Amino acid sequence: QSVLTQPPSASGTPGQRVTISCSGSSSNIGSNSGNWYQQVPGTAPKLLIYKNNQRLSGVPDRFSGSKSGTSASLAISGLQSEDEGDYYCATWDDSLNAGVFGGGTKLTVL
Amino acid sequence: EVQLVESGGGLMNPGGSLRLSCAASGLSFSSVWISWVRQVPGKGLEWVGRIKSTHAGATIDYAAPVKGRFTISRDDSQHTSYLQMNSLKIEDTAVYYCTTGVFNSGLDNWGQGTLVTVSS
Repeated sequence: QSVLTQPPSASGTPGQRVTISCSGSSSNIGSNSGNWYQQVPGTAPKLLIYKNNQRLSGVPDRFSGSKSGTSASLAISGLQSEDEGDYYCATWDDSLNAGVFGGGTKLTVL
Repeated sequence: EVQLVESGGGLMNPGGSLRLSCAASGLSFSSVWISWVRQVPGKGLEWVGRIKSTHAGATIDYAAPVKGRFTISRDDSQHTSYLQMNSLKIEDTAVYYCTTGVFNSGLDNWGQGTLVTVSS
């Protein structure tokens, strides 16, 4: 049971926009920054979005992040086949004094 | 170019010990925070613990499942971080990643991971 809740799957067709949600609480997303990671099968995760909405250098501007209250979201516009993979949200939890990840969302491009 | 290379993984019996290493290059090692993250094959990511930069006091925090069994350390002169794992359990089986960055601001560099298998 992950501290942060993500939908287990999401899908879209090429060119579409998809959004992945991440629900937390006041002790994690509510008081800290949300970060997003992409993991292509067989490879290490890589940071996409940090501090809620900042794209890491080299990340296409099709990827965007936002935060509202105790939830964070990752939006991917102009979906491409290479966007397929697992996406994880993460943040620090002040009550646990620990880093926490969402359970991950598997994105399929149909 | 930043590179993180983990080593030391392998097959261990329950109750055994193992030390993982993370050798870093291409960055100012003493100023980075190191987090260890693990992933059971086919499952999600789990934060294991972190050691702050030497400049920030090298404070260490651990996830509840490993506290008291795992120890994170760093040797800035060798640009290396270590994860000492004692009293290993079957549920510690995972790929272990070394990462850099302040967790709250994003882990911006990841190693390739090293697989630890705990089985009798």
